[in-house]
Amino acid sequence: DGGITQSPKYLFRKEGQNVTLSCEQNLNHDAMYWYRQDPGQGLRLIYYSQIVNDFQKGDIAEGYSVSREKKESFPLTVTSAQKNPTAFYLCASSKRGQAAMTRNTEAFFGQGTRLTVV
Amino acid sequence: AQSVTQLDSQVPVFEEAPVELRCNYSSSVSVYLFWYVQYPNQGLQLLLKYLSGSTLVKGINGFEAEFNKSQTSFHLRKPSVHISDTAEYFCAVSFSGYSTLTFGKGTMLLVSP
Repeated sequence: DGGITQSPKYLFRKEGQNVTLSCEQNLNHDAMYWYRQDPGQGLRLIYYSQIVNDFQKGDIAEGYSVSREKKESFPLTVTSAQKNPTAFYLCASSKRGQAAMTRNTEAFFGQGTRLTVV
Repeated sequence: AQSVTQLDSQVPVFEEAPVELRCNYSSSVSVYLFWYVQYPNQGLQLLLKYLSGSTLVKGINGFEAEFNKSQTSFHLRKPSVHISDTAEYFCAVSFSGYSTLTFGKGTMLLVSP
């Protein structure tokens, strides 16, 4: 079955350490996204990528970094510069990222990674 | 500026009662509209979407939504809810010319017996 896999589901790290969250999709989607979810704040976009080797900052990119070396993979690194990293992180993908160009803008989501920094 | 507003953070309702979850957006460009559902500690699952055509859209699990362009709304409805519908519901909008979805802050639907 096609889908998006995020790993691990739960992650604990000590303050000051960088940590990388994995996101893999086998849907052959061009666009991939990382969102952060905090209670009462909905989903906030961290980074997105519309094509391999290219990505753009979202609304809350500070303290995060990404790479897109392969179409299937879009890992997110939470760096020590992120002041409040404890959150639920969701990865998503869609067929294309250009909303004006296509109707295929619905996003498919992974199951999320809950990161706790202590 | 483009924005999405879900007016209710929580909606409590009894089982088998009807429910409406409200979503309004602000935009000067054309839009595509979506409703997603999230169960605890899970990702988001698409309930339904409006791209064009009929303004009444039917989705999974008996949900439907109506696009009202003049009121810039896309409210989600279900005539009779079940306990299993307890979840958080997100309205999302794709604004023409933008490459990403904009999400509302979510509405927690709490169904009790």
